Parts: sequence; structure tokens; C-alpha cells
Amino acid sequence: GAGVSQSPSNKVTEKGKDVELRCDPISGHTALYWYRQSLGQGLEFLIYFQGNSAPDKSGLPSDRFSAERTGGSVSTLTIQRTQQEDSAVYLCASSLAIWGGEQFFGPGTRLTVL
Amino acid sequence: KQEVTQIPAALSVPEGENLVLNCSFTDSAIYNLQWFRQDPGKGLTSLLLIQSSQREQTSGRLNASLDKSSGRSTLYIAASQPGDSATYLCAASSGNTPLVFGKGTRLSVIA
Repeated sequence: GAGVSQSPSNKVTEKGKDVELRCDPISGHTALYWYRQSLGQGLEFLIYFQGNSAPDKSGLPSDRFSAERTGGSVSTLTIQRTQQEDSAVYLCASSLAIWGGEQFFGPGTRLTVL
Repeated sequence: KQEVTQIPAALSVPEGENLVLNCSFTDSAIYNLQWFRQDPGKGLTSLLLIQSSQREQTSGRLNASLDKSSGRSTLYIAASQPGDSATYLCAASSGNTPLVFGKGTRLSVIA
């Protein structure tokens, strides 16, 4: 596609439910990133993929968060047993290269946990 | 650990004014620095990317400079317009974190 796409654009869920967020990067971009933007907190880096591999998962907020990427393309971020503090906008970006590559962002998924 | 600071947090200027947004970072060993624009409720739009070996980049009315030794970058906007109103974010790529973001400068250009 022409740009990074994310789905759903909005997700409202009840506390304790699992949610899955999807990111479709720009075709040909080997690097993919997930960030979280909370009200008043700024943008927080979560995880990156080089191809299908995520070398460093230490940015994930807790073990309820996981991410995977298949076929070097689509990525999913899964949050298990959602909590109210997980409410935020989850942004995905992609780039041609990990280090030094210009990142292009998707429109984000707004997650609200009631 | 890289930390990125943006000053001011908010700025309001009359249309037509030239303005400068400031960004500072603590770790000068960066791969690059990127400036973004974010409109309310939207994602981020990349404005300019400066590689560590570069001093500045220009795109239209925008000019971004990079001084690694002092840990600073500035975004210069010439002849500001109401359509420039948005939050401007700078982010540095270094170490093991692809991008560390500042909290942004919220710009309002008044017609």
C-alpha cells in the first residue's frame, strides 16, 4: 500500500479482555516498530522488528504485551487481560532500515479499556 | 539512556512570523534525528530527517539543523501559516532504541 495502515482505528474493550492490534507496513520495509502514546505521557517505544525477528522486548510494559510479525510484513500487537492503564493510542511505523532509516507512521489505534 | 527535551511546550504566533522550535538530546551518539508533525487525533507525519553526518535539511519553508556536539536541533519555520498549527515532535535514534521522542511543541498560528 501507499502508507502504513493500522486496524482497528478505534477499539473499546472491557477490563480483562484480550485485544489484538494490527499493523500493515509499507511494502518493502524490513523494519517495523510499535509505539504507545498516552495522554500526557508522550510517545513511548515498545518494540521493533527486523524482518520477523524482535531482538529486544524490554520495552514492552508488561508480560501481558506480546507482538509478532509474519512473512516480513503484517505485525500484530496483543494485549492480554487488558487494564485501564493500557488505554492509549498505539502507533505503528516502518522504515527501510533499522538504524538511520526514516520512519513512517500509521494513523494509530485508539484503545479504550473500560 | 537518551532523553529528548523540547522547548517551548506551547507557542502561539501571528500568521507570517518566522519561528524556531528547539530540541535537545542528552546522548550525542545518534544515528539520526527526525522531526514530525502531529495533528489532533492523527498519526505522525515525517517532516525532515537529519542523518548524524549532516548539519541541516530543508523542505519548503522548513529547515532543520543538527549540532551533535551541543546536543541540539532546531526546526525553523518561515512565514508561518494557520495550516502550520499542530504539535511538532523531534525524535533521536541512538543506542538500542530506534526513536526516543520529546514531548512536543504545540504550535498555534493565528490568522
